[in-house]
Amino acid sequence: NAGVTQTPKFQVLKTGQSMTLQCAQDMNHNSMYWYRQDPGMGLRLIYYSASEGTTDKGEVPNGYNVSRLNKREFSLRLESAAPSQTSVYFCASNQGHGYTFGSGTRLTVV
Amino acid sequence: GNSVTQMEGPVTLSEEAFLTINCTYTATGYPSLFWYVQYPGEGLQLLLKATKADDKGSNKGFEATYRKETTSFHLEKGSVQVSDSAVYFCALSLKTSYDKVIFGPGTSLSVIP
Repeated sequence: NAGVTQTPKFQVLKTGQSMTLQCAQDMNHNSMYWYRQDPGMGLRLIYYSASEGTTDKGEVPNGYNVSRLNKREFSLRLESAAPSQTSVYFCASNQGHGYTFGSGTRLTVV
Repeated sequence: GNSVTQMEGPVTLSEEAFLTINCTYTATGYPSLFWYVQYPGEGLQLLLKATKADDKGSNKGFEATYRKETTSFHLEKGSVQVSDSAVYFCALSLKTSYDKVIFGPGTSLSVIP
């Protein structure tokens, strides 16, 4: 099925560990985004990529890095995980007609 | 600045009741407006959209009309079902180079039989 695929769906990390969240879309969209969703905080933009080869910071970029590997793939990396990064992470893509979201990665940092 | 305000939840309704979820926005220029729905354990899905004043978006029995004069985009459904229980997000999109979307805080809806 066409859409946005995120991996993994669940992950538990220890404080200080690193990991990369993967995201791929097959709709040939130019723009891709990473959001985190926390209770009472809504959706907050971490990083976005307007096109292949470009990335920019969103509202809450600290502690994260991203890579737009090609037009399809946009990964999010946590270099040294902290408990404050426990959240649900969503990737999305857009071509001007509204976002298409992935199903999310539930990350717990202990 | 640009922002979206929604009525606070949670909203609890009986099956077949009429639903209204209020949404107002502040934006420079003329944004596109959206409603997204998030079912438990899932990502957000686009429910409906409107791209200019007086447009009506509709899908699955839900409707919303883009009201420029009141800067509103209220979501309505005539008869809700248990399966409509979800969190609903109002959002706006600015015509920038990266189509950034600004989301409201979400309104949780529970429909009881």
